[in-house]
Amino acid sequence: GAVVSQHPSRVICKSGTSVKIECRSLDFQATTMFWYRQFPKKSLMLMATSNEGSKATYEQGVEKDKFLINHASLTLSTLTVTSAHPEDSSFYICSAREIGQIYEQYFGPGTRLTVT
Amino acid sequence: RKEVEQDPGPFNVPEGATVAFNCTYSNSASQSFFWYRQDCRKEPKLLMSVYSSGNEDGRFTAQLNRASQYISLLIRDSKLSDSATYLCVVTPWNTDKLIFGTGTRLQVFP
Repeated sequence: GAVVSQHPSRVICKSGTSVKIECRSLDFQATTMFWYRQFPKKSLMLMATSNEGSKATYEQGVEKDKFLINHASLTLSTLTVTSAHPEDSSFYICSAREIGQIYEQYFGPGTRLTVT
Repeated sequence: RKEVEQDPGPFNVPEGATVAFNCTYSNSASQSFFWYRQDCRKEPKLLMSVYSSGNEDGRFTAQLNRASQYISLLIRDSKLSDSATYLCVVTPWNTDKLIFGTGTRLQVFP
């Protein structure tokens, strides 16, 4: 089946530093990848939609200069949290949609970010 | 009003019980509907899509009522392994986004 990986699975960083999270589709090509954030006991909230070779589309309220998204190839998208603050601590999950699919998304295992 | 609303639970049921979860959505033009399952600190996994005619997959039955903007999931003969959070997910019309509810937590006990 379609597999999506994320790296790292867990990261702790200090306030003010930047953190990069990678999302890879391992056995399929993904024209579109999605980035979500989930706070404890809350629902997944879509942050942005990333299309290969073009700029990401951010959801309302998500700062594009703080959450930098790059989707340089059909198998890799990266999310960089710049100048991280403790309130950015969350579970970040990516998903990928295979070429030709309309709705089905395959989710990565998530990255737990803790900013101290 | 939230786009997708669910009772957070938790629902605590014994093994073998039948349990039902409900979900309502606010956008009447929503076009696709799903139930996902999420285990603690893990990613969500697709459980089943929901069709207007209702659909069944083993012990799981999903129903959609477009007039009432209501989706349900019925689990029969609950197993310990069914313990998880069940997420109701909706795709608004003319988009490919997934809008998640906050989830309903199920705990099945022996």
